[in-house]
Amino acid sequence: KQEVTQIPAALSVPEGENLVLNCSFTDSAIYNLQWFRQDPGKGLTSLLLIQSSQREQTSGRLNASLDKSSGRSTLYIAASQPGDSATYLCAVSRYGGSQGNLIFGKGTKLSVKP
Amino acid sequence: ETGVTQSPTHLIKTRGQQVTLRCSSQSGHNTVSWYQQALGQGPQFIFQYYREEENGRGNFPPRFSGLQFPNYSSELNVNALELDDSALYLCASSQVSLRGRETQYFGPGTRLLVL
Repeated sequence: KQEVTQIPAALSVPEGENLVLNCSFTDSAIYNLQWFRQDPGKGLTSLLLIQSSQREQTSGRLNASLDKSSGRSTLYIAASQPGDSATYLCAVSRYGGSQGNLIFGKGTKLSVKP
Repeated sequence: ETGVTQSPTHLIKTRGQQVTLRCSSQSGHNTVSWYQQALGQGPQFIFQYYREEENGRGNFPPRFSGLQFPNYSSELNVNALELDDSALYLCASSQVSLRGRETQYFGPGTRLLVL
């Protein structure tokens, strides 16, 4: 059974700092991995999607890496801003499963202080 | 904004009642998935519909059921509500294409409280 773990559960940093969020998964047979952002009481916004054949994806100040063999992904946020404060969720898609079958971690709650 | 809308935004029910939640997919999307997110947890997959047929189901009992309509809007029905059903219910739509799996676009969710 696939399990996704995110460390740390919460993180507080001063504005301007670079930071790394970690995600690990127990079954390396994944199709893709996605990072989402969730603001309090709101839905999810997709940030980056990495196919299993890829090593990393970049969007602006965000960079996500994937090491499928070790079951790890990291989300790197450069020059953090207070507007980055949110919960960040990592999710994997089961290989060969239905498209909707995203398996999520519990998230990392990020607070960026001015 | 993702173009996916959900109604209602909030709902309070009592144990044993039934509830229907609604989702309107992003234009052109033929697939909708539903997730349950308990407080402090990640979303858990309930089921998915593709072209009006159920196309995958998570570990949820049969009292969780759904429908997808020809216009690709969708409903989630929950019978015999239990206290543990209190959660944020999220729907996500996507367009399955020959390229394979596409990014899912999530709605804002419906917050359900069961008393």
